[in-house]
Amino acid sequence: SSVVTQPPSVSVPPGQTARITCGGDNIANKAVHWYQQKSGQAPVLVVYDDSARPPGIPERFSGSDSGNTATLTIIRVEAGDEAAYYCQVWDNDADHVVFGGGTKLTVL
Amino acid sequence: QVQLQESGPGLVKPSETLSLTCTVSGGSISNDHWSWIRQAPGKGLEWIGYIYYNGITNYNPSLKSRVSISVDTSKNQISLRLNSVTAADTAVYYCARLLAVTSPDWAFDIWGQGTMVTVSS
Repeated sequence: SSVVTQPPSVSVPPGQTARITCGGDNIANKAVHWYQQKSGQAPVLVVYDDSARPPGIPERFSGSDSGNTATLTIIRVEAGDEAAYYCQVWDNDADHVVFGGGTKLTVL
Repeated sequence: QVQLQESGPGLVKPSETLSLTCTVSGGSISNDHWSWIRQAPGKGLEWIGYIYYNGITNYNPSLKSRVSISVDTSKNQISLRLNSVTAADTAVYYCARLLAVTSPDWAFDIWGQGTMVTVSS
């Protein structure tokens, strides 16, 4: 069964670049999806299939992966980006969804 | 624009059955696949299960013995039933749509606002 791990928190000053990681065995061989969840709100899909952005998601958000780590990168971080971010993969062997534990992004 | 709205009792007694409904507006339920996801207070996201438009279901192994997801095409609704609930089932419950282009490694592109369910006597 797949397990994906995220750091509990990341902090960056406004205008800087935030990198949120998602670790798992050979995660580069899986499709990784990323969600943003602001306090009290439902999650929003910000990146799917490793690096694709849904309509309406700013180009400041991008995804990449290599080896055992997938990364969500947010450039020119704004106060409004403060949220929890979750990665998600599909465990094809077990045919079920796996979410990472989430990373709280704080904009200093 | 497809929108989802969860509804159901906000309070369920221990050992009873939790029943929720997700109403789909702006599109036909028969065109897509659907899922339920929950989030305990202060915790992360937990996938409950999915149902394909043709009725095929799959559930989180940790909940499989207690959960059932179904669709009512006449009402454009997806239903969730979770029986023998305990306090550990207290959570916000979300319904979500599976994003077709990500098949079979599904992502969830449209979410309802969620409904809070508390299990308590």
